[in-house]
Amino acid sequence: DAGITQSPRHKVTETGTPVTLRCHQTENHRYMYWYRQDPGHGLRLIHYSYGVKDTDKGEVSDGYSVSRSKTEDFLLTLESATSSQTSVYFCAISLTELLPYEQYFGPGTRLTVT
Amino acid sequence: DQQVKQNSPSLSVQEGRISILNCDYTNSMFDYFLWYKKYPAEGPTFLISISSIKDKNEDGRFTVFLNKSAKHLSLHIVPSQPGDSAVYFCAASAFTGRRALTFGSGTRLQVQP
Repeated sequence: DAGITQSPRHKVTETGTPVTLRCHQTENHRYMYWYRQDPGHGLRLIHYSYGVKDTDKGEVSDGYSVSRSKTEDFLLTLESATSSQTSVYFCAISLTELLPYEQYFGPGTRLTVT
Repeated sequence: DQQVKQNSPSLSVQEGRISILNCDYTNSMFDYFLWYKKYPAEGPTFLISISSIKDKNEDGRFTVFLNKSAKHLSLHIVPSQPGDSAVYFCAASAFTGRRALTFGSGTRLQVQP
């Protein structure tokens, strides 16, 4: 158990509204990631962070922003939600800098944009 | 352009038999490969990994084989159990500093009792 929680776990929102998803970890790991999972695509990286205020874009970052003002929290914001952003969102962390590729995932947030 | 491909969306095997899940990749810069298992309504869980300097890694019932020349890896589960029924994702990473993972689209394994 990597001590990762995500909130909310489920959300339904309307097109054009802003949405913020939260990822919280309890063990002060540096590396945190946001992925989305869609049928036929596996998981795709949205944004990632190497530490407080140190973030960068992934392969599907358009329409998303992130913030990390504390080590334990990584926030994903959809500035103006669209139906194409209906997905399941997973947060992940790397437990060690020695094997940073081995990421551990939270339980996910299912977001529906109507 | 999918850099990591899992061409079999589903696989069904009998309990006790071997399950073989396959994965192909196109990016020669990938140097670390992982398998994740995912149950419905849960996050993916890390299963096993392999560095590109190896061709085999075992962990209990799970073995991953890597064929770098063919850009192919496979996950063997022996013996398969009903609890292994899940979606399996192959993932790969290149040491670019980003340390992000590129995932395949997944294979749904069903182990029949």
